[in-house]
Amino acid sequence: QQQVKQSPQSLIVQKGGISIINCAYENTAFDYFPWYQQFPGKGPALLIAIRPDVSEKKEGRFTISFNKSAKQFSLHIMDSQPGDSATYFCAAARYGGSQGNLIFGKGTKLSVKP
Amino acid sequence: EAGVAQSPRYKIIEKRQSVAFWCNPISGHATLYWYQQILGQGPKLLIQFQNNGVVDDSQLPKDRFSAERLKGVDSTLKIQPAKLEDSAVYLCASSSGVWTQYFGPGTRLLVL
Repeated sequence: QQQVKQSPQSLIVQKGGISIINCAYENTAFDYFPWYQQFPGKGPALLIAIRPDVSEKKEGRFTISFNKSAKQFSLHIMDSQPGDSATYFCAAARYGGSQGNLIFGKGTKLSVKP
Repeated sequence: EAGVAQSPRYKIIEKRQSVAFWCNPISGHATLYWYQQILGQGPKLLIQFQNNGVVDDSQLPKDRFSAERLKGVDSTLKIQPAKLEDSAVYLCASSSGVWTQYFGPGTRLLVL
């Protein structure tokens, strides 16, 4: 019940295309869903995050869609660029009452071809 | 604002040896986390500190791993003795509030 399942494992997209990465969770107590971007040799960096009280959040070319009833959320990268090539991790946490730890998915390696 | 600092960046040791990693969080961040990231997987929390107290160490293999955060600032993670399966990237993160965790570059450990 603590798992976060992420798909696909890898994704190849043409420059200008839309990249879509999906995650599913089981624990309904989770109330914070961030996406992290990680480049080789670097630590993960927060990209965008959402709380379950909204169904969508957009920041620039990055959008999170959240479906509470299905316990799923996804990351959409519009107009994908070669610089977006990285590994993306979804995560979930329960922050009720104290700072909870992040449960990460296994990651999606995105390659954007020029 | 300086980020989370970690050292060393790389370490190669023989199995059964001991190793220590150091982390300096972002100034003023009360919460510090150590994660283990095995190749091809997402980070997994090992231990969480709030100031110099342990909040969560449920996934820390306490027979061989130990961590401390003296004075509520820097932290050290130690493995003794190391096993082959400890080969991973050890990430330190810090947070000033409830939501955003800022990660350091990690220490890449190879156990031979």
